[in-house]
Amino acid sequence: DIQMTQSPSSLSAYVGDRVTITCRATESIGSHLSWYQQKAGKAPKLLIYAASSLQSGVPSRFSGSGSGTDFTLTISSLQPEDSTTYYCQQSFSMPLTFGAGTKVEIK
Amino acid sequence: EVKLLESGGGLVQPGGSLRLSCETSGFTFSSYAMTWVRQAPGKGLEWVAVISGSGGSRYHAASLRRRFTISRDKSKNTVSLQMNGLRAEDTAVYYCARSRGSEHEALDSWGQGTLVTVSS
Repeated sequence: DIQMTQSPSSLSAYVGDRVTITCRATESIGSHLSWYQQKAGKAPKLLIYAASSLQSGVPSRFSGSGSGTDFTLTISSLQPEDSTTYYCQQSFSMPLTFGAGTKVEIK
Repeated sequence: EVKLLESGGGLVQPGGSLRLSCETSGFTFSSYAMTWVRQAPGKGLEWVAVISGSGGSRYHAASLRRRFTISRDKSKNTVSLQMNGLRAEDTAVYYCARSRGSEHEALDSWGQGTLVTVSS
């Protein structure tokens, strides 16, 4: 199985800061990488698919990059409503696997 | 508008069975793979199973394969998850999600989830 390692597990930043979350796969997954945002008590929401494509309706401050084994999710200017948990997921091979999540907090 | 509505969750004793259903609307059901994802209390997301748009291909998490079965009914635009031999560690919110296309695509629409509690 492909394991997805997210880092950091949590971070704290100021409103307006640039925030980067990384996700590393144990083998190459091409661009089959997605990022999700999950707020407490809610279903996850797709932010980025195919490593770098912005899902419709998602603010442009979110971006994704990477291919192969190393990927990043960047929030260019952190907003208060971005304070929540983020997950990556590979869809290259079964079983599809999620990272453990990154909790983003506002200082 | 794409809508996914899960049902069938509840309290069940260890060793029992439940069948979760996800009623869909707002899209051409047979064109999309459908996935179940679960989340234990306070934990991260765990992929459970996926079924292709045609229903001809299905995959389950290895640890669940002998107990859980995903299926779909094109006449009712519904995807189901049959869960047998339930254990305390199966306690979780179960989400139904639509893939952007094939089984190897991102999950672009999610239901609100249904809670399964396994306890005596």
